Amino acid sequence: QKEVEQDPGPLSVPEGAIVSLNCTYSNSAFQYFMWYRQYSRKGPELLMYTYSSGNKEDGRFTAQVDKSSKYISLFIRDSQPSDSATYLCAMSGWGKLQFGAGTQVVVTP
Amino acid sequence: NAGVTQTPKFRILKIGQSMTLQCTQDMNHNYMYWYRQDPGMGLKLIYYSVGAGITDKGEVPNGYNVSRSTTEDFPLRLELAAPSQTSVYFCASSYEGGNTEAFFGQGTRLTVV
Repeated sequence: QKEVEQDPGPLSVPEGAIVSLNCTYSNSAFQYFMWYRQYSRKGPELLMYTYSSGNKEDGRFTAQVDKSSKYISLFIRDSQPSDSATYLCAMSGWGKLQFGAGTQVVVTP
Repeated sequence: NAGVTQTPKFRILKIGQSMTLQCTQDMNHNYMYWYRQDPGMGLKLIYYSVGAGITDKGEVPNGYNVSRSTTEDFPLRLELAAPSQTSVYFCASSYEGGNTEAFFGQGTRLTVV
């Protein structure tokens, strides 16, 4: 069983729609939860970071963490074509930084 | 600041050859990581280091070796290259592990033929 599971997509949505992404994990040692965004042929860049269970908002982005269910989510409101990218969930504990497979998101005008 | 710098950007290697992928960071980060990224497979952790002189295996270490003699440098060595090692390799660094942002290099595209 993989430590971090993420549906690779692709996920295609019309401009203005809400994008919903999620990951599950199996390692209870993970303490920090992140979402990275990766554009084609570039390295990933940090988008959102959370530590505790609950919600965190940053503009159009909302990250949710449910440690009891080992489940994290990312929501993108009012999606734009510029949001088209691969979104990777990441989790860390005891020095390891583990990524999910990444979900390719395409926002069509 | 240059951030995380990887060299080379591209390389074609023949089966059985060896090479070293270079990674250096100028942010005085303690933690450094090597990942490989195959299409649709996300980032798989090869090796990581929590400080100079300390390294540990990640998810897919076979066929690779690393060393961390300085804080700045974390080279990845491929011995006896195989077609299965064709991938994009990313080096990353962070100040305090997963509770701080990881910064990535631009990647090295390696093809083994």
